Amino acid sequence: ETGVTQSPTHLIKTRGQQVTLRCSSQSGHNTVSWYQQALGQGPQFIFQYYREEENGRGNFPPRFSGLQFPNYSSELNVNALELDDSALYLCASSVLRNTGELFFGEGSRLTVL
Amino acid sequence: RKEVEQDPGPFNVPEGATVAFNCTYSNSASQSFFWYRQDCRKEPKLLMSVYSSGNEDGRFTAQLNRASQYISLLIRDSKLSDSATYLCVVKVRVDTGNQFYFGTGTSLTVIP
Repeated sequence: ETGVTQSPTHLIKTRGQQVTLRCSSQSGHNTVSWYQQALGQGPQFIFQYYREEENGRGNFPPRFSGLQFPNYSSELNVNALELDDSALYLCASSVLRNTGELFFGEGSRLTVL
Repeated sequence: RKEVEQDPGPFNVPEGATVAFNCTYSNSASQSFFWYRQDCRKEPKLLMSVYSSGNEDGRFTAQLNRASQYISLLIRDSKLSDSATYLCVVKVRVDTGNQFYFGTGTSLTVIP
């Protein structure tokens, strides 16, 4: 158990809809990052939040957005869903200036029909 | 070009075998390097960090060659429980903060 929890675990949406995924980070961790993992691929970095500010972003369009709250929990929002957004979305918490170990939640599996 | 490239495998090896995985990265500004392990339908978990001097953790040895931008993982005396996907991970510091890049992963199956 990493202490990182994500919700929902599974969800189904249709094209054009919007989705919000949630993540509670491990106690004492101030940084949250989000990843998209398509089937058979490695996780792709979406963005990272530190102290409620975006602190790094991968090659994802603006319809992928996020928030970090004062308690370090986080949300990932995806607007105008596309079929290719179907994937496992992983949240990872860490301490910004530590060795860099990421502690992942079990993920939210999104299917877009 | 992908930030991190790995041979996806699959590698199917007998118990007790030695197996090596390789990984290359493209960004010379990469700061930190890791191997993560991901079991089927589970989240990735840190296996070990990788240092320029090379480091060992039991049956696992990791090496980093900054000049060649190459990372390796050696598993000795493979166990059935080593069956998993091994992900090569690189942390890059950019103006906007940190970015983590994962390889596609290398699939290992250890056969009895």
